[in-house]
Amino acid sequence: AQSVAQPEDQVNVAEGNPLTVKCTYSVSGNPYLFWYVQYPNRGLQFLLKYITGDNLVKGSYGFEAEFNKSQTSFHLKKPSALVSDSALYFCAVGRMDSSYKLIFGSGTRLLVRP
Amino acid sequence: AAGVIQSPRHLIKEKRETATLKCYPIPRHDTVYWYQQGPGQDPQFLISFYEKMQSDKGSIPDRFSAQQFSDYHSELNMSSLELGDSALYFCASSVGFGSLNSPLHFGNGTRLTVT
Repeated sequence: AQSVAQPEDQVNVAEGNPLTVKCTYSVSGNPYLFWYVQYPNRGLQFLLKYITGDNLVKGSYGFEAEFNKSQTSFHLKKPSALVSDSALYFCAVGRMDSSYKLIFGSGTRLLVRP
Repeated sequence: AAGVIQSPRHLIKEKRETATLKCYPIPRHDTVYWYQQGPGQDPQFLISFYEKMQSDKGSIPDRFSAQQFSDYHSELNMSSLELGDSALYFCASSVGFGSLNSPLHFGNGTRLTVT
């Protein structure tokens, strides 16, 4: 069975500092991994995905994520946080044979203080 | 750019009533997905449609049904509503089924409140 874990309910960082939002996964076969961001009362916005290829994936708004197969992790990172990055971040895993029947993590709230 | 349109944005119903949620995918998107996000919860996959046929099914209650029409819009019908059905219901669309290379675009959701 597929599962995704986001161990931190909330991450607090100061503006300008690097940020990391953690995600680990469990899936049989090759994982397809995604990060989405959700602002209040809004839908999920796609940030980036890992399907295959380079382990370091670059996405929208300066975010990137590193796929680590041995640690089964897909942590989201940004070198310099902005206050506007404050939102709810979801990691998700899918399988090619299941299209976008995604399994989401529980979400991590990112709070960037000025 | 056109996005996924969901209507209504907010819906208040009483227990045992029925509700219909509508989703209009991005033009030329042929695949629609429905997700349910309870308060403080992660989104849960309900059901998906590709080319007007059900393509996958998740944790959708038997009281719910959905379909995709010839213009690719989709409707989620919910009957005998329960308090626990109160949630944010997202529709998402993409191109093609079985391909994760096409991005998945979410609508802003319909917030259903059952009283």
